[in-house]
Amino acid sequence: DVKVTQSSRYLVKRTGEKVFLECVQDMDHENMFWYRQDPGLGLRLIYFSYDVKMKEKGDIPEGYSVSREKKERFSLILESASTNQTSMYLCASSLQETQYFGPGTRLLVL
Amino acid sequence: EDKVVQSPLSLVVHEGDTVTLNCSYEVTNFRSLLWYKQEKKAPTFLFMLTSSGIEKKSGRLSSILDKKELFSILNITATQTGDSAVYLCAVEAGSGTYKYIFGTGTRLKVLA
Repeated sequence: DVKVTQSSRYLVKRTGEKVFLECVQDMDHENMFWYRQDPGLGLRLIYFSYDVKMKEKGDIPEGYSVSREKKERFSLILESASTNQTSMYLCASSLQETQYFGPGTRLLVL
Repeated sequence: EDKVVQSPLSLVVHEGDTVTLNCSYEVTNFRSLLWYKQEKKAPTFLFMLTSSGIEKKSGRLSSILDKKELFSILNITATQTGDSAVYLCAVEAGSGTYKYIFGTGTRLKVLA
């Protein structure tokens, strides 16, 4: 059974903190993605990775960085969290066209 | 276990045809159902449905939710080649800490 897991379902952080969001997939997929979803805006792509140590900016990479040291794990890093980064963060992985999504991490930055 | 199932998995039609895409779900504490169109990278938001029986329309696209039978349909009339994409259905569910459950999508190809 296909599985994409995210390390936390719900996180509360303070402005200026460094935040790590972890995503793990067990399907040996090459492609992994980080999105944020906000009301009225739908899904927006932050970064994606098509192989280990490879990454590409999505539509809204500012304020974020990523790390892909192992094929199964794709981390999203907020170097210094800000209140406008309060959102639902969704990770996905894919082999070709079909993306499999994790359950999401709801991040609240105070 | 929460799940969202889309059908058909793939579909090939000719321009001008009307298509109906299906999304059924079994989740705990349903909140909303969302439809996305995915062409290349990030899916594009189409509709969010929360109430049964109320049709949402945007141009040639429309969608409706049935919370009793636990499904939604996405209709596309007078299809065009630009409608070729993967259409994703997602359900927002949970109480307090909520989550999104995505279907694997329906791949639509519209031939000229």
